[in-house]
Amino acid sequence: DVKVTQSSRYLVKRTGEKVFLECVQDMDHENMFWYRQDPGLGLRLIYFSYDVKMKEKGDIPEGYSVSREKKERFSLILESASTNQTSMYLCASLLRTEASQPQHFGDGTRLSIL
Amino acid sequence: AQKITQTQPGMFVQEKEAVTLDCTYDTSDQSYGLFWYKQPSSGEMIFLIYQGSYDEQNATEGRYSLNFQKARKSANLVISASQLGDSAMYFCAMREARWNQGGKLIFGQGTELSVKP
Repeated sequence: DVKVTQSSRYLVKRTGEKVFLECVQDMDHENMFWYRQDPGLGLRLIYFSYDVKMKEKGDIPEGYSVSREKKERFSLILESASTNQTSMYLCASLLRTEASQPQHFGDGTRLSIL
Repeated sequence: AQKITQTQPGMFVQEKEAVTLDCTYDTSDQSYGLFWYKQPSSGEMIFLIYQGSYDEQNATEGRYSLNFQKARKSANLVISASQLGDSAMYFCAMREARWNQGGKLIFGQGTELSVKP
């Protein structure tokens, strides 16, 4: 089974802090994704990566950056955290073979910015 | 632009009954895939079922089936014989088949299902 591990289930940070959310997958998947989940809005894509050191903006990249130095690890960075970034963050990975392949998700990080 | 719409924010179903969760989508592509995920209160996203746009038969996985009506652009999830453990948020998602889009998913707003004993 694919395992996608997010470093924290719950995180509390202060406004203006630099925040790192880490995600590691153990199945050699090429593609990795960061989503943000808010009530009534579903999941929205922040950034994704299809290879080491490659990244692409998703639908809501403002205020975020990402890093992918190794294939198994994809980090989401909040450069200067703000209260409107309080949310649930979900990481996912994908094996890029067939169209029917689902994304595999981590357990999520509930981030609160005070 | 691609869009997924789930019009039922919340639904109730009696245990052991069947329930249908609605999903409509909008795309100009001929080749695409539709996914359903379940999210319990613990937060993890669990993949349930997949339907490809060229699949002639409706997808089934155990108690889950997908009522795919391509002309109407709908992909409703049917859960038969509901169980208390089915209480969760359910998301419909779509992905274009072109890999140059990175395999990203577009999600609907979700439907919260509550199963009553």
